[in-house]
Amino acid sequence: ETGVTQSPTHLIKTRGQQVTLRCSSQSGHNTVSWYQQALGQGPQFIFQYYREEENGRGNFPPRFSGLQFPNYSSELNVNALELDDSALYLCASSLEGTQYFGPGTRLTVL
Amino acid sequence: GEDVEQSLFLSVREGDSSVINCTYTDSSSTYLYWYKQEPGAGLQLLTYIFSNMDMKQDQRLTVLLNKKDKHLSLRIADTQTGDSAIYFCAESEGGNKLVFGAGTILRVKS
Repeated sequence: ETGVTQSPTHLIKTRGQQVTLRCSSQSGHNTVSWYQQALGQGPQFIFQYYREEENGRGNFPPRFSGLQFPNYSSELNVNALELDDSALYLCASSLEGTQYFGPGTRLTVL
Repeated sequence: GEDVEQSLFLSVREGDSSVINCTYTDSSSTYLYWYKQEPGAGLQLLTYIFSNMDMKQDQRLTVLLNKKDKHLSLRIADTQTGDSAIYFCAESEGGNKLVFGAGTILRVKS
């Protein structure tokens, strides 16, 4: 157990809708990173937040956005959902580099 | 560009050693990681190695790093059926982003 939690566990949405995924960091960790893992692939970096500011972004369109709160928990928002957004979304928290992952949220877009 | 490559599948008998290989491209990577993913679950950190080390041993796990060839391997001694999972190699980039391979499926036959 890493102490990183994510909600919800599973989610089903339709194309065009918006979704918010949530992540609680391990105690004491001030950095949260989000990854998208499509079926049969490795995780792809979406972005990272450090002390409430975005600290790096991968090759994802602006409809993927995030927030980090003062308690270091975080949200990932995806607007205008597309079928290809169906994936496992993983968050990871860290303090000085090594990232510890949560169990993920499985998003299905119909 | 960044790219991490792994062999897709490895099958071993229970009690044998498993060796999972990985090549990476970013010579500036500070840390290299091995994560394990069981079906429907998040990523579990197994071990990591600092880029100025050649070898790291942690119980049944041995990591070897050949920085000249950008080659990383994970050896699991006395492989058990509970070791059946997908194993991901990842390199760190710039202290925030992890770049993952596509994963190696390890199947342990009893």
